[in-house]
Amino acid sequence: SAVISQKPSRDICQRGTSLTIQCQVDSQVTMMFWYRQQPGQSLTLIATANQGSEATYESGFVIDKFPISRPNLTFSTLTVSNMSPEDSSIYLCSVASGSDEQFFGPGTRLTVL
Amino acid sequence: AQSVTQPDIHITVSEGASLELRCNYSYGATPYLFWYVQSPGQGLQLLLKYFSGDTLVQGIKGFEAEFKRSQSSFNLRKPSVHWSDAAEYFCAVGAPLDYGQNFVFGPGTRLSVLP
Repeated sequence: SAVISQKPSRDICQRGTSLTIQCQVDSQVTMMFWYRQQPGQSLTLIATANQGSEATYESGFVIDKFPISRPNLTFSTLTVSNMSPEDSSIYLCSVASGSDEQFFGPGTRLTVL
Repeated sequence: AQSVTQPDIHITVSEGASLELRCNYSYGATPYLFWYVQSPGQGLQLLLKYFSGDTLVQGIKGFEAEFKRSQSSFNLRKPSVHWSDAAEYFCAVGAPLDYGQNFVFGPGTRLSVLP
């Protein structure tokens, strides 16, 4: 299994600002994903982070709002841009590498005031 | 489109009692099925998974789940609940090596455990 860390673990931000969340994996992985978990809700896939190319976004999520980078096979960032209180959520990074299961990071709890 | 339902939003059991969390899915082919647990303030941890073979699968922490194709169900069970099992439980369905929009989580069931 993969060990995943995320930074920051939590943050409180002001409306209109941006926050970049980092995801680090202890081994090279094929696929990395970003999920959003709104308060009291299940997980929704934001995008697949592709190494060396633009991320693949799911319906309802756009690059201008959630720019993603993946410079190598062990690291990715998600930026939440121009934040509003509706962006208050837990953001989770997950990875998969051909084993038919995903491993999740501990999540970043974001509160926007 | 694939979907997952977890009929129980919140379940409360006494410590030591048995537990069953329900999961029903809709999927066009043979599904890959998963149960994850999310403790307060934590990420998701995989409890168990079903890909093929024996329809009764054993997981970590004393959990097991049974795949019933005829009922499109994958219910999670534990014979004796511990206070530390209080958490949110998510059922998920996916396809082999397909983690995009075809990997779907259920809405979750929150488990409370009474002392």
